[in-house]
Amino acid sequence: EVQLLESGGGLVQPGGSLRLSCAASGFTFNTYAMNWVRQAPGEGLEWVSSISGAGGTTHYADSVRGRFTISRDNSKNTLYLQMNSLRVDDTAIYYCAKDFRTSGSFPTLTHWGQGTLVTVSS
Amino acid sequence: QSALTQPASVSGSPGQSITISCTGTSSDIGGYNYVSWYQQHPGKAPKLMIYDVTNRPSGLSNRFSGSKSGNTASLTISGLQAEDEADYYCSSYTSSSTRVVFGGGTKLTVL
Repeated sequence: EVQLLESGGGLVQPGGSLRLSCAASGFTFNTYAMNWVRQAPGEGLEWVSSISGAGGTTHYADSVRGRFTISRDNSKNTLYLQMNSLRVDDTAIYYCAKDFRTSGSFPTLTHWGQGTLVTVSS
Repeated sequence: QSALTQPASVSGSPGQSITISCTGTSSDIGGYNYVSWYQQHPGKAPKLMIYDVTNRPSGLSNRFSGSKSGNTASLTISGLQAEDEADYYCSSYTSSSTRVVFGGGTKLTVL
């Protein structure tokens, strides 16, 4: 059974940094691309970033490019999202999601974690 | 404003069929067969219901089906059940730099 467990969320001031982690189990981690998707309180879904199975290819939404960095450690079956220069409008639940494919070029999100809440506020 | 346009709400009675539309452009839905649909119950994580326009994940009820015509994709749920009441989101690959776009979501009410 695929399991994804996010951690690292919390309260941070505008301009601050935070690193999210997602521990994966139940599948061959390095075979699949992984994604981060966020959902602001009471709002819809917004794709944030993807990374290929081997970690060599990454993609970002325009809203986070240059501020967020996605990475993975396949030896630890763990996905990361380093978030810098955080803004109030980055406040959201951040979900880790397993992709249907290896490349991450056409994100299709087959399994989701339960999410971790990031609140950016002074 | 979301890149893909969905109706804010739809409703139906148990046993009936409903269809949720998702309208984009030739840069996303119309240009590629990478349309997905997700179901989200309140306080829960989304769940994949349809991928690549028409495909159902293994084990998912065949009451759920997807289609596409031009720049509009659709999700049809037949034989409505109370447990189908949820928010539904469409998404598509896009040739724009942001790569993936979602619809604003549709709240399905089972009367």
